[in-house]
Amino acid sequence: EVRLVQSGAEVKKPGATVKISCKASGYAFNDYYMNWLRQAPGKGPEWMGLVNPEDGQNIYAEKFRGRVTITADTSTDTAYMEVSSLTSEDTAVYYCASGTGEGFFDNWGQGTLVIVSS
Amino acid sequence: DIVMTQSPLSLPVTPGEPASIFCRSSQSLLHSSGYNFLEWYLQKPGQSPQLLIYLSSIRASGVPDRFSGSGSGTDFTLKISRVEAEDVGVYYCMQALQPPYSFGQGTNLEIK
Repeated sequence: EVRLVQSGAEVKKPGATVKISCKASGYAFNDYYMNWLRQAPGKGPEWMGLVNPEDGQNIYAEKFRGRVTITADTSTDTAYMEVSSLTSEDTAVYYCASGTGEGFFDNWGQGTLVIVSS
Repeated sequence: DIVMTQSPLSLPVTPGEPASIFCRSSQSLLHSSGYNFLEWYLQKPGQSPQLLIYLSSIRASGVPDRFSGSGSGTDFTLKISRVEAEDVGVYYCMQALQPPYSFGQGTNLEIK
Protein backbone atom coordinates (compact mmCIF):
# COMPACT_ATOMS: atom_id res chain seq x y z
CA GLU A 1 0.00 0.00 0.00
CA VAL A 2 1.35 3.41 -0.98
CA ARG A 3 1.49 5.85 1.93
CA LEU A 4 2.62 9.46 2.16
CA VAL A 5 2.88 10.68 5.76
CA GLN A 6 3.51 14.37 6.36
CA SER A 7 4.87 16.25 9.33
CA GLY A 8 2.60 18.08 11.74
CA ALA A 9 1.00 21.50 11.76
CA GLU A 10 3.13 24.62 12.03
CA VAL A 11 2.54 28.16 13.26
CA LYS A 12 5.00 30.73 11.97
CA LYS A 13 5.49 34.47 12.16
CA PRO A 14 5.64 36.62 9.01
CA GLY A 15 9.09 36.54 7.43
CA ALA A 16 9.92 33.11 8.83
CA THR A 17 10.71 29.89 7.00
CA VAL A 18 8.85 26.58 7.25
CA LYS A 19 10.06 23.12 6.23
CA ILE A 20 7.59 20.26 5.81
CA SER A 21 8.45 16.59 5.33
CA CYS A 22 6.69 13.78 3.46
CA LYS A 23 7.71 10.18 4.20
CA ALA A 24 6.89 7.76 1.39
CA SER A 25 6.40 4.02 1.65
CA GLY A 26 4.95 1.18 -0.39
CA TYR A 27 6.57 2.04 -3.71
CA ALA A 28 9.95 2.75 -5.33
CA PHE A 29 10.51 6.31 -4.15
CA ASN A 30 13.29 7.01 -6.67
CA ASP A 31 11.11 6.14 -9.66
CA TYR A 32 8.34 8.74 -9.37
CA TYR A 33 8.23 12.53 -9.12
CA MET A 34 7.10 14.00 -5.81
CA ASN A 35 4.87 17.05 -6.08
CA TRP A 36 3.87 19.69 -3.57
CA LEU A 37 0.58 21.53 -3.66
CA ARG A 38 -1.21 23.86 -1.31
CA GLN A 39 -4.82 24.73 -0.61
CA ALA A 40 -5.74 28.05 0.95
CA PRO A 41 -8.94 28.19 3.04
CA GLY A 42 -11.98 27.85 0.76
CA LYS A 43 -9.86 27.56 -2.40
CA GLY A 44 -8.87 24.81 -4.81
CA PRO A 45 -5.48 23.11 -4.83
CA GLU A 46 -2.52 25.00 -6.28
CA TRP A 47 0.49 23.17 -7.69
CA MET A 48 3.80 24.53 -6.39
CA GLY A 49 6.50 22.30 -7.83
CA LEU A 50 8.07 18.87 -7.98
CA VAL A 51 11.31 16.99 -7.47
CA ASN A 52 12.67 14.00 -9.34
CA PRO A 53 14.13 11.91 -6.47
CA GLU A 54 16.39 10.06 -8.89
CA ASP A 55 18.50 13.11 -9.74
CA GLY A 56 17.18 15.92 -7.55
CA GLN A 57 16.02 18.02 -10.50
CA ASN A 58 13.12 20.41 -9.89
CA ILE A 59 10.33 22.15 -11.72
CA TYR A 60 8.69 25.05 -9.90
CA ALA A 61 5.65 27.14 -10.67
CA GLU A 62 6.87 30.62 -11.59
CA LYS A 63 4.90 32.08 -8.71
CA PHE A 64 7.01 30.16 -6.17
CA ARG A 65 10.41 30.13 -7.85
CA GLY A 66 13.07 31.58 -5.56
CA ARG A 67 11.00 31.23 -2.41
CA VAL A 68 10.29 27.48 -2.39
CA THR A 69 12.83 24.67 -2.28
CA ILE A 70 11.82 21.04 -2.81
CA THR A 71 14.28 18.26 -2.07
CA ALA A 72 14.31 14.48 -1.75
CA ASP A 73 16.38 12.21 0.49
CA THR A 74 16.56 8.80 -1.16
CA SER A 75 18.24 7.25 1.90
CA THR A 76 15.04 7.76 3.92
CA ASP A 77 12.45 7.98 1.11
CA THR A 78 11.46 11.41 2.36
CA ALA A 79 10.68 14.58 0.43
CA TYR A 80 10.88 18.07 1.86
CA MET A 81 9.49 21.44 0.97
CA GLU A 82 10.82 24.68 2.42
CA VAL A 83 9.01 27.99 2.01
CA SER A 84 10.78 31.19 3.01
CA SER A 85 9.68 34.79 3.61
CA LEU A 86 6.26 33.67 4.79
CA THR A 87 3.30 36.04 4.74
CA SER A 88 -0.30 35.62 5.86
CA GLU A 89 -1.16 34.65 2.28
CA ASP A 90 0.88 31.47 2.76
CA THR A 91 -1.60 30.23 5.37
CA ALA A 92 -2.84 26.99 3.81
CA VAL A 93 -2.85 23.21 3.96
CA TYR A 94 0.20 21.88 2.14
CA TYR A 95 0.12 18.47 0.46
CA CYS A 96 2.70 16.18 -1.04
CA ALA A 97 1.41 14.01 -3.88
CA SER A 98 2.89 11.46 -6.26
CA GLY A 99 1.71 9.64 -9.34
CA THR A 100 2.71 5.98 -9.31
CA GLY A 101 0.76 4.67 -12.26
CA GLU A 102 -2.62 6.31 -12.56
CA GLY A 103 -2.67 10.05 -13.13
CA PHE A 104 -0.33 12.71 -11.86
CA PHE A 105 -1.53 12.68 -8.24
CA ASP A 106 -2.91 9.25 -7.41
CA ASN A 107 -1.40 9.33 -3.92
CA TRP A 108 -1.70 12.23 -1.47
CA GLY A 109 -0.36 12.94 1.97
CA GLN A 110 -2.77 13.83 4.75
CA GLY A 111 -1.88 17.52 4.51
CA THR A 112 0.05 19.88 6.79
CA LEU A 113 -1.62 23.04 8.06
CA VAL A 114 0.68 26.06 8.08
CA ILE A 115 -0.61 29.18 9.81
CA VAL A 116 1.29 32.43 9.37
CA SER A 117 0.36 34.95 12.00
CA SER A 118 2.03 37.62 14.05
CA ASP B 1 -0.45 29.18 -18.13
CA ILE B 2 -3.54 27.05 -18.79
CA VAL B 3 -6.71 28.26 -17.08
CA MET B 4 -9.39 25.74 -16.11
CA THR B 5 -13.03 26.81 -15.79
CA GLN B 6 -15.71 24.62 -14.24
CA SER B 7 -19.50 24.81 -14.15
CA PRO B 8 -21.65 24.76 -12.20
CA LEU B 9 -19.91 25.83 -8.99
CA SER B 10 -22.72 24.41 -6.87
CA LEU B 11 -24.69 21.27 -7.70
CA PRO B 12 -27.55 20.08 -5.47
CA VAL B 13 -28.62 16.57 -6.48
CA THR B 14 -31.30 14.15 -5.31
CA PRO B 15 -29.92 10.68 -4.48
CA GLY B 16 -30.37 8.30 -7.39
CA GLU B 17 -30.42 11.10 -9.94
CA PRO B 18 -27.64 11.76 -12.47
CA ALA B 19 -25.24 14.69 -12.30
CA SER B 20 -22.83 16.32 -14.73
CA ILE B 21 -19.93 18.70 -14.21
CA PHE B 22 -18.31 20.62 -17.05
CA CYS B 23 -14.74 21.77 -17.43
CA ARG B 24 -13.16 23.95 -20.09
CA SER B 25 -9.46 24.61 -20.58
CA SER B 26 -7.94 27.75 -22.13
CA GLN B 27 -5.75 25.57 -24.38
CA SER B 28 -6.22 22.16 -25.92
CA LEU B 29 -5.19 19.33 -23.61
CA LEU B 30 -4.72 16.90 -26.49
CA HIS B 31 -1.17 15.57 -26.47
CA SER B 32 0.66 14.29 -29.54
CA SER B 33 0.21 10.80 -28.06
CA GLY B 34 -3.51 11.11 -28.73
CA TYR B 35 -4.39 11.34 -25.05
CA ASN B 36 -6.10 14.26 -23.36
CA PHE B 37 -4.25 15.18 -20.17
CA LEU B 38 -7.31 16.00 -18.09
CA GLU B 39 -7.95 14.56 -14.62
CA TRP B 40 -10.84 14.71 -12.17
CA TYR B 41 -10.49 14.73 -8.39
CA LEU B 42 -12.97 14.56 -5.54
CA GLN B 43 -12.22 16.17 -2.20
CA LYS B 44 -14.57 14.84 0.46
CA PRO B 45 -15.09 17.01 3.55
CA GLY B 46 -11.99 17.05 5.73
CA GLN B 47 -9.99 14.80 3.40
CA SER B 48 -7.20 15.08 0.85
CA PRO B 49 -8.27 15.10 -2.79
CA GLN B 50 -8.59 11.68 -4.43
CA LEU B 51 -8.12 10.81 -8.09
CA LEU B 52 -11.27 9.75 -9.93
CA ILE B 53 -10.45 9.96 -13.65
CA TYR B 54 -7.24 10.39 -15.65
CA LEU B 55 -6.50 10.83 -19.34
CA SER B 56 -10.00 12.29 -19.62
CA SER B 57 -11.91 9.01 -19.43
CA ILE B 58 -10.01 6.31 -17.52
CA ARG B 59 -11.37 5.52 -14.06
CA ALA B 60 -8.75 5.19 -11.34
CA SER B 61 -8.56 1.93 -9.40
CA GLY B 62 -11.44 1.45 -7.01
CA VAL B 63 -13.60 4.21 -8.48
CA PRO B 64 -17.21 3.06 -8.94
CA ASP B 65 -18.40 2.66 -12.51
CA ARG B 66 -21.16 5.21 -11.95
CA PHE B 67 -18.42 7.79 -12.56
CA SER B 68 -17.43 8.46 -16.17
CA GLY B 69 -15.35 11.07 -17.93
CA SER B 70 -15.49 12.27 -21.51
CA GLY B 71 -14.32 15.06 -23.76
CA SER B 72 -11.40 16.10 -25.89
CA GLY B 73 -9.44 19.22 -26.70
CA THR B 74 -10.80 21.95 -24.45
CA ASP B 75 -14.20 20.63 -23.28
CA PHE B 76 -14.67 17.86 -20.76
CA THR B 77 -17.46 16.35 -18.69
CA LEU B 78 -17.64 14.26 -15.53
CA LYS B 79 -20.88 12.31 -15.20
CA ILE B 80 -22.28 10.48 -12.21
CA SER B 81 -25.00 8.11 -13.39
CA ARG B 82 -26.74 7.82 -10.03
CA VAL B 83 -25.60 10.04 -7.19
CA GLU B 84 -25.14 8.46 -3.78
CA ALA B 85 -24.76 10.16 -0.40
CA GLU B 86 -21.04 9.27 -0.30
CA ASP B 87 -20.42 11.35 -3.46
CA VAL B 88 -20.76 14.60 -1.52
CA GLY B 89 -17.75 16.90 -1.78
CA VAL B 90 -15.93 19.26 -4.11
CA TYR B 91 -15.01 18.05 -7.59
CA TYR B 92 -12.02 19.52 -9.41
CA CYS B 93 -10.81 19.14 -12.94
CA MET B 94 -7.06 19.52 -13.48
CA GLN B 95 -4.89 19.84 -16.54
CA ALA B 96 -1.82 17.63 -16.52
CA LEU B 97 -0.50 18.62 -19.95
CA GLN B 98 2.16 21.09 -18.84
CA PRO B 99 3.40 22.75 -15.66
CA PRO B 100 2.14 24.65 -13.80
CA TYR B 101 -0.54 21.98 -13.45
CA SER B 102 -3.76 23.84 -12.78
CA PHE B 103 -7.15 23.11 -11.25
CA GLY B 104 -10.64 24.42 -11.86
CA GLN B 105 -12.44 26.40 -9.18
CA GLY B 106 -14.27 23.34 -7.95
CA THR B 107 -17.89 22.16 -8.02
CA ASN B 108 -19.56 21.61 -4.67
CA LEU B 109 -21.91 18.63 -4.96
CA GLU B 110 -24.47 18.41 -2.19
CA ILE B 111 -27.40 16.13 -1.55
CA LYS B 112 -30.88 17.67 -1.69
